[in-house]
Amino acid sequence: EAAVTQSPRNKVTVTGGNVTLSCRQTNSHNYMYWYRQDTGHGLRLIHYSYGAGNLQIGDVPDGYKATRTTQEDFFLLLELASPSQTSLYFCASSMTTNERLFFGHGTKLSVL
Amino acid sequence: QQKVQQSPESLSVPEGGMASLNCTSSDRNFQYFWWYRQHSGEGPKALMSIFSDGDKKEGRFTAHLNKASLHVSLHIRDSQPSDSALYFCAASELNNYAQGLTFGLGTRVSVFP
Repeated sequence: EAAVTQSPRNKVTVTGGNVTLSCRQTNSHNYMYWYRQDTGHGLRLIHYSYGAGNLQIGDVPDGYKATRTTQEDFFLLLELASPSQTSLYFCASSMTTNERLFFGHGTKLSVL
Repeated sequence: QQKVQQSPESLSVPEGGMASLNCTSSDRNFQYFWWYRQHSGEGPKALMSIFSDGDKKEGRFTAHLNKASLHVSLHIRDSQPSDSALYFCAASELNNYAQGLTFGLGTRVSVFP
């Protein structure tokens, strides 16, 4: 089965802090995604990419940057973290956007 | 307004029973549907997709799509305790994949002995 690995699994930071969430996929997939999951909002797309160096804006991009350094690696950056960014973050990958997404186990982020 | 709406919010089913979940899109461009399942502490996992009118069966899971009403359902036959999870419906445009999937809020299924 396709593998998507996220790190760290848990992260606590303070308001205004700088956070980087990492994601690596070994599926040779073209597309990678960052979602956040919140009660009452389901899964919402933050950013996605279809290849190294590419970045596409999702539905809730404000306060987030992302960078796809290689085919395998996709990073989500919070440069001035706010309590509203406390959430469960998922990375996913797929070969194309109409094929199934493979999700990682998630990163639980708390901004105090 | 949520473009992909799911009902019910939660559902309790006896072991061996049938669970029925519903999903409706308010965007007529959304004609490609997926069902995902998420167990506690894990990421969502795809169950099946459907984009043609009618039924699609995979093991104990059957999806039904009515394109005219943009309504899709998921039926779980012979429910097992391992089926207890959060189920998401997700949709995308059939011929414009650039935007990816839009997810509903989910239906929580609990299977009791």
